[in-house]
Amino acid sequence: NAGVTQTPKFRVLKTGQSMTLLCAQDMNHEYMYWYRQDPGMGLRLIHYSVGEGTTAKGEVPDGYNVSRLKKQNFLLGLESAAPSQTSVYFCASSLLAELRNEQFFGPGTRLTVL
Amino acid sequence: GDSVTQMEGPVTLSEEAFLTINCTYTATGYPSLFWYVQYPGEGLQLLLKATKADDKGSNKGFEATYRKETTSFHLEKGSVQVSDSAVYFCALLHRGGKLIFGQGTELSVKP
Repeated sequence: NAGVTQTPKFRVLKTGQSMTLLCAQDMNHEYMYWYRQDPGMGLRLIHYSVGEGTTAKGEVPDGYNVSRLKKQNFLLGLESAAPSQTSVYFCASSLLAELRNEQFFGPGTRLTVL
Repeated sequence: GDSVTQMEGPVTLSEEAFLTINCTYTATGYPSLFWYVQYPGEGLQLLLKATKADDKGSNKGFEATYRKETTSFHLEKGSVQVSDSAVYFCALLHRGGKLIFGQGTELSVKP
């Protein structure tokens, strides 16, 4: 049982390049989330999904797209990377959105945009 | 909107010292409250939680009590260890299942 895994762990991009971050969970969770972590700002929600085939915007969605074609996978795309997107990206999942439900986090992807 | 405010770090303590990390929140209704911990190079792990007023969450010697009257959820530990060095995040669960995080407090424990 691997929990939540993220690929890749590190990546360096040039401005304007595109990339996709992959998140996978093996806990049969309905909800999945993408956050970014920046110094002094905690984690901020980018996009989330409440089930296979669904996506919704979070607090900071601009410049990102997501897809949830399979229940276990949640992809985060950057179509044209900008230096402001340099950050650590975390994926999380939870069984449901009910008040008692814990979110489980992946190990993170450190992205640098030059 | 809902928000979480934590005391600024970094916090540096000697081993066996008492730890308090302050956390206050602003929210409509009565959200569930969480403390997450992030060890160096790792993702976040749930440390403890409380789902209603006066609940006390506890784990690994850490405790926090949900205080509705002061809208606070301060994290405490009676005797910290070097292995507790990490970044600690307070968070509330917004209606609809979205977590709102504080900015994080870095704790460094020296032998």
